[in-house]
Amino acid sequence: DTEVTQTPKHLVMGMTNKKSLKCEQHMGHRAMYWYKQKAKKPPELMFVYSYEKLSINESVPSRFSPECPNSSLLNLHLHALQPEDSALYLCASSQGQGASPTEAFFGQGTRLTVV
Amino acid sequence: KNEVEQSPQNLTAQEGEFITINCSYSVGISALHWLQQHPGGGIVSLFMLSSGKKKHGRLIATINIQEKHSSLHITASHPRDSAVYICAVSSFLIRGSNYKLTFGKGTLLTVNP
Repeated sequence: DTEVTQTPKHLVMGMTNKKSLKCEQHMGHRAMYWYKQKAKKPPELMFVYSYEKLSINESVPSRFSPECPNSSLLNLHLHALQPEDSALYLCASSQGQGASPTEAFFGQGTRLTVV
Repeated sequence: KNEVEQSPQNLTAQEGEFITINCSYSVGISALHWLQQHPGGGIVSLFMLSSGKKKHGRLIATINIQEKHSSLHITASHPRDSAVYICAVSSFLIRGSNYKLTFGKGTLLTVNP
């Protein structure tokens, strides 16, 4: 199984809603990532989890709250978002820390629209 | 200046043509990745390489570490190859920590039948 599965595929939410994005992988990867991608732009790194611990937060606003309940799951909790937060949210995983980088596997993304 | 530059930004080809997409980078890297993204879709990793050349089917990727340059070639292109091709480089985020992927802006390839 070399898949990273993201749910839901599409999400429309109001600015006062609370929702969560989910990401799952069963490749035994110990590094997991959240990226945000606006239309026709490259992905921007948001968070990195390593061995279920948050290792990098790229100055992301607190209305985005990541969570890694176990080594296979990564969540992104959303609260009080703004319309400019509408984007494709991509999850990725890789083998983890080590002497050499390893291949990154990406999910299909969640297309988020904030109304 | 972007740390990862790709060219061309847009490329239109006829089915069967040989295609080359170029990537130059200005930072020290541990590896270079070529990724494919179909419109509105997720990203698929095509290659990860740190030296030399790799081939997978009709796709070939090369890297020249000294010149900080990589190329992605597609032989006998097909309309299903139409997608955005993204070059990304791995570098350490902080010492002893994970790698960070820095992405180029992508090349939109359209292959017409």
